[in-house]
Amino acid sequence: RKEVEQDPGPFNVPEGATVAFNCTYSNSASQSFFWYRQDCRKEPKLLMSVYSSGNEDGRFTAQLNRASQYISLLIRDSKLSDSATYLCVVSPGTGGFKTIFGAGTRLFVKA
Amino acid sequence: DAGITQSPRHKVTETGTPVTLRCHQTENHRYMYWYRQDPGHGLRLIHYSYGVKDTDKGEVSDGYSVSRSKTEDFLLTLESATSSQTSVYFCAISAQGTSGSPWEQFFGPGTRLTVL
Repeated sequence: RKEVEQDPGPFNVPEGATVAFNCTYSNSASQSFFWYRQDCRKEPKLLMSVYSSGNEDGRFTAQLNRASQYISLLIRDSKLSDSATYLCVVSPGTGGFKTIFGAGTRLFVKA
Repeated sequence: DAGITQSPRHKVTETGTPVTLRCHQTENHRYMYWYRQDPGHGLRLIHYSYGVKDTDKGEVSDGYSVSRSKTEDFLLTLESATSSQTSVYFCAISAQGTSGSPWEQFFGPGTRLTVL
């Protein structure tokens, strides 16, 4: 079993749709959780950290369920520019060592 | 912008040759990392550094070595390149916004390496 698992997709959605990404992790001692976005042939970029209380940034909402070891990302009102690969990232906390990256879920938003 | 550059950005080399990739950062971050990214595997840690001359192995370190003689530079060397090392290599730093906040990683633009 992979330490961080994501649905590889791809997800194909029309503009304006709501899309949800799910991620599970195996290390119950994990402390920090993130979603990164990676455009084709570019480096990953931090989209948002994920907190137990849930957090929202505009059209993006992230949730963490420690009991189920599950992280989610919801994108509302999808834009063409949201097309990218979304990486789920889990870290033990200090320094970023042993940070584990999911393989990513590819999203295509179409007009 | 975390001020991370990588060089070269693209390289084609032949099996058996040594290759060195450079990562340079301008913001004096202590922690630096080298990852490789391959389809279906996500990012995998090769080596990391927690200070000048302080380095350690990651998940996929065989065939790679690193050096960090200055805070700003972290070098990755493929001692004798093999076709299985064809990949995209990313350098990263980690930083903590404020005490107690998560350690976030920021990446350089990547180096595309092809070993023929």
